[in-house]
Amino acid sequence: EIVLTQSPGTLSLSPGERATLSCRASQSVSGSSLAWYQQKRGQAPRLLIYDASTRATGIPDRFSGSGSGTDFTLSISRLEPEDFAVYYCQHYVTSPLTFGGGTKVEIK
Amino acid sequence: QVQLQESGPGLVKPSETLSLTCTVSAGSINNYYWTWIRQPPGKGLEWIGYIYYSGSTNYNPSLKSRVTISVDTSKNQFYLDLDSVTAADTAVYYCARDSERGSYYDSWGQGTLVTVSP
Repeated sequence: EIVLTQSPGTLSLSPGERATLSCRASQSVSGSSLAWYQQKRGQAPRLLIYDASTRATGIPDRFSGSGSGTDFTLSISRLEPEDFAVYYCQHYVTSPLTFGGGTKVEIK
Repeated sequence: QVQLQESGPGLVKPSETLSLTCTVSAGSINNYYWTWIRQPPGKGLEWIGYIYYSGSTNYNPSLKSRVTISVDTSKNQFYLDLDSVTAADTAVYYCARDSERGSYYDSWGQGTLVTVSP
């Protein structure tokens, strides 16, 4: 099973600042088969990024994904008020599919 | 835009079976993989398993002995049964559609909270 470790657990930032979220895998994620989701309180997750760096339909370009192998990053260039939420990474290399534990981006 | 809606009892007794339905609308269930994911209150996401419209399945090994996912293409629905539940199965249960390109999820239901309690 591929274990995904997200850091930091909580990121305290102000609107307009840059956010950098990390997702580290316990073994190589082949084919960059990694996705990122945003989840707001009481809502289902929303797909942001797939294949490590491809934005999903309708996702603003302030969101970007990068990385390969075991280290992946989600960046938000300038935080908007609606970006404060919890973010999860997920691999889809092989079964079982797993998610990281999440990073909460909160208003400082 | 396809829409998914979970339905089922919000309260299940310990040792009983949790049964949920996901109804797919504004799109066909055919030619896609369909997934169940759960999230205990205040915690992260756990993949339960998926079913292809033809009926083939894949389950999380941690739940495999208790899980059955099935599909009824004539009703555009798929289902989750989880046997012998305990309080640890209390969670929001989501159904989701796998994208055409891989097992990441581009469409989700709103989720339904299932509480396991006497």
